[in-house]
Formats: sequence, C-alpha cells, structure tokens
Amino acid sequence: AQSVTQPDIHITVSEGASLELRCNYSYGATPYLFWYVQSPGQGLQLLLKYFSGDTLVQGIKGFEAEFKRSQSSFNLRKPSVHWSDAAEYFCAVGTNYGGSQGNLIFGKGTKLSVKP
Amino acid sequence: DAGVIQSPRHEVTEMGQEVTLRCKPISGHNSLFWYRQTMMRGLELLIYFNNNVPIDDSGMPEDRFSAKMPNASFSTLKIQPSEPRDSAVYFCASSAFSGDTDTQYFGPGTRLTVL
Repeated sequence: AQSVTQPDIHITVSEGASLELRCNYSYGATPYLFWYVQSPGQGLQLLLKYFSGDTLVQGIKGFEAEFKRSQSSFNLRKPSVHWSDAAEYFCAVGTNYGGSQGNLIFGKGTKLSVKP
Repeated sequence: DAGVIQSPRHEVTEMGQEVTLRCKPISGHNSLFWYRQTMMRGLELLIYFNNNVPIDDSGMPEDRFSAKMPNASFSTLKIQPSEPRDSAVYFCASSAFSGDTDTQYFGPGTRLTVL
C-alpha cells in the first residue's frame, strides 16, 4: 500500500540557517510527489511538485526538493530560513494519476519553528 | 481566480444535529476532493469526485457521512447525526486534469466542533 513517512514531527532552526525536511514514500510505480505548507488556521498551499524529468525541483518561497528513487525519498530544502517559514509542512504522494483520477496520500507533517 | 471556496469557516453544533459543509471548486476543475484533518490521524481523504461522479468514497467513516456534487461548481459534505468525534477541520480541494499535471488546490477549510 502507498504510504508517506515524515520522520520528524517537530524541527526548530535558527533564522538564516539551512533547512532539510525529510520525506520517504512507499509506492509501487513512479510516484508523483508534492510538498505542501500549512500556516496556522490556513489551508494547504502547494510548494512544489515532482512528476518526471529533472530530479531537483524548484518551488515557491525559495524551496527545492530532490527526488531520489534509490532512497525512496523526496526531501525538502531551503538554504536560508526566514521567520515567516514557520508552519507545518506536508509531503504527499499522488496515486492513480492519469485519466482525471488521483488522490493524495499525506504524511503526518513536520512542524517547523524558527528561532530569531 | 478566487480559489477554492468553503463555507462556513467555523461551525459549532451539538451532538445529534445535522451539519452541512459546502465547497465551490476552482472554475474549470473537474476533480473535487474532501479531506478531514485531525491531530490523531492527520489528513485523510474522505471522498473524491471526477466530473461530478463519486469515484472513491472508501474514506467516508460511516453512513452518517454523505457527499454530493450536483454540478461542476458545488459540492456538499453532510454529517447526520453529528458526534463529538467528528470534530475536525474539513478541507475541500479541486484539480484540473491536463496530461499528468493533476495538482490539487485546497480551500481554507471548515473547522467543525461538535459539543
């Protein structure tokens, strides 16, 4: 069965420091992978997605993620964190894509806190 | 574009009452998804529609939950009767199939509290 694991429930980094959020997936075929961000009391906003092609994907707000098939991972990175990046981050794998179908399996999320 | 619109944003009701959550997807999108988010279980897919037809409702917890999509611009999620364990944030998302770029866009959610 498809699944997504985000091993870190809560991470705290200092403002200006680099960030890496981990995501591992289990999926039998080529995965479609997503990272979403959720600010308190808000809906989910898409940061970036991987469907095919270049394994390093650029997203909004200076985020990037790298797909590593051998490790079944899709880690999210940012070279310098800003206080406004404090939020919860969700990794997701898309299933049954194609033909107007598809749903997302989400990880449990990683809450990011940023120290001044 | 207005994005996915959900109403109400907050709902407080008493156990046993009927609750109806509403969603307006992004114009032109042909898939619609209902999710529930709780601390214990995270984000769970309840049901999704494609071209107004329910495709997979295996995530609907029990018969108290029902969802409809009478047209391409409107969907409802109904809970009858509601129970305290239904308290959660309910999200609606929509997507437009175009080749393989089936990205879901989420609404702001409805926070439901059942007393």
